[in-house]
Amino acid sequence: SAVISQKPSRDICQRGTSLTIQCQVDSQVTMMFWYRQQPGQSLTLIATANQGSEATYESGFVIDKFPISRPNLTFSTLTVSNLSPEDSSIYLCSVDWMATNEKLFFGSGTQLSVL
Amino acid sequence: SQKIEQNSEALNIQEGKTATLTCNYTNYSPAYLQWYRQDPGRGPVFLLLIRENEKEKRKERLKVTFDTTLKQSLFHITASQPADSATYLCALGEDSSYKLIFGSGTRLLVRP
Repeated sequence: SAVISQKPSRDICQRGTSLTIQCQVDSQVTMMFWYRQQPGQSLTLIATANQGSEATYESGFVIDKFPISRPNLTFSTLTVSNLSPEDSSIYLCSVDWMATNEKLFFGSGTQLSVL
Repeated sequence: SQKIEQNSEALNIQEGKTATLTCNYTNYSPAYLQWYRQDPGRGPVFLLLIRENEKEKRKERLKVTFDTTLKQSLFHITASQPADSATYLCALGEDSSYKLIFGSGTRLLVRP
């Protein structure tokens, strides 16, 4: 299995600022995913981060708002830019460690609150 | 559009009983369905996967059924324990895509 370290675990940010979330995996993985989980809602895929290429964003998510870096096969960052209260949510990174599309491993999440 | 429904109300049961959670979907023909457990402040943890050609799958006290005609999966926890209290998410996927579609989850409370 894959062990995923995600930080920060929580943060409180001011409107208009940005927050960068880090995700470190203990083994090399091809695909890393970033999800958002709003209160009482399902997990929604923000983007897929592949090493060596631009991230692929899902409908409703844009690079200017959610820039992603993937410098190597064990690390990725998600930045949530120009924060507004609507961005208050849990952000989760995940990996398909076995590359089978059949099982995801998740980090513990980042609880973001925007004032 | 694709839609997954899980009971938004918490399921409250007595320890030792069987918990049954439901996942219904529409406008989708998934190749497989997954169940995850999520504890407060933690990310989801994978539990079971069942493919479209499988009717039932078991793992220890867990049992999952998949009825593609009814477009429904049932998730059972037998001999439930207070430690089983958590939110359970179902997710649908296709072999041709890495993208999973998640339900919003059902919270299970097991009373001692």
